[in-house]
Amino acid sequence: EVQLLESGGGLVQPGGSLRLSCAASGFTFSTTVMSWVRQAPGQGLEWVSAISGSGYIHYADSVKGRVTVSRDNSKDTLFLQMNSLRVEDTAVYYCATVESGSYFDNWGQGALVTVSS
Amino acid sequence: DIQMTQSPSPLSASVGDRVTITCRASESISNSLNWYQQKPGKAPRLLIYGASSLQSGVPSRFSGGGSGTSFTLTINSLQPEDVATYYCQQSYGTPPFTFGPGTKVDIK
Repeated sequence: EVQLLESGGGLVQPGGSLRLSCAASGFTFSTTVMSWVRQAPGQGLEWVSAISGSGYIHYADSVKGRVTVSRDNSKDTLFLQMNSLRVEDTAVYYCATVESGSYFDNWGQGALVTVSS
Repeated sequence: DIQMTQSPSPLSASVGDRVTITCRASESISNSLNWYQQKPGKAPRLLIYGASSLQSGVPSRFSGGGSGTSFTLTINSLQPEDVATYYCQQSYGTPPFTFGPGTKVDIK
């Protein structure tokens, strides 16, 4: 069974930093494209970033330059380093597997990031 | 970037009704269109990929269609457990992957 477990969320002040982790199990992590998707309170879904097994990376324009996605294939873990956080980055952040480089077929339960002074 | 729109929103229907949600892309995306269901407080769940392929474990009352710029998600015989928000998502070419704004479905 595929399991994705996010951690590292919390309250941070504007301009601060936070690192999210996503521990994966139940599939071959090293060859799977992974992604982060976020959802602001009461709002829709927004794709944030994707990383292939070999480290090929894409970012949404809304986070480019402030966010770094990475992975540790030896530990089956995905990361999202977020810097210069803004109030509008407040959201639940989901990690997800990307099948065929195209659709999100497994999702974690989400980690809440709140940016507020 | 490719923009996605959905209609209607919200949508209210009776149990047993056939319900159709429409998703439109700002340019042709072939069949690179996926549908998700999200219930309150839960992570999204993949329903349909490649415009019309049913994800394993999804009830057969859900179906998808369309190509190019116009797509549909149909729920045949709406059930109480189908109350949720439904999102389309395009996956044409390289990222960014874009979601539609969502369609909230409830029971009359």
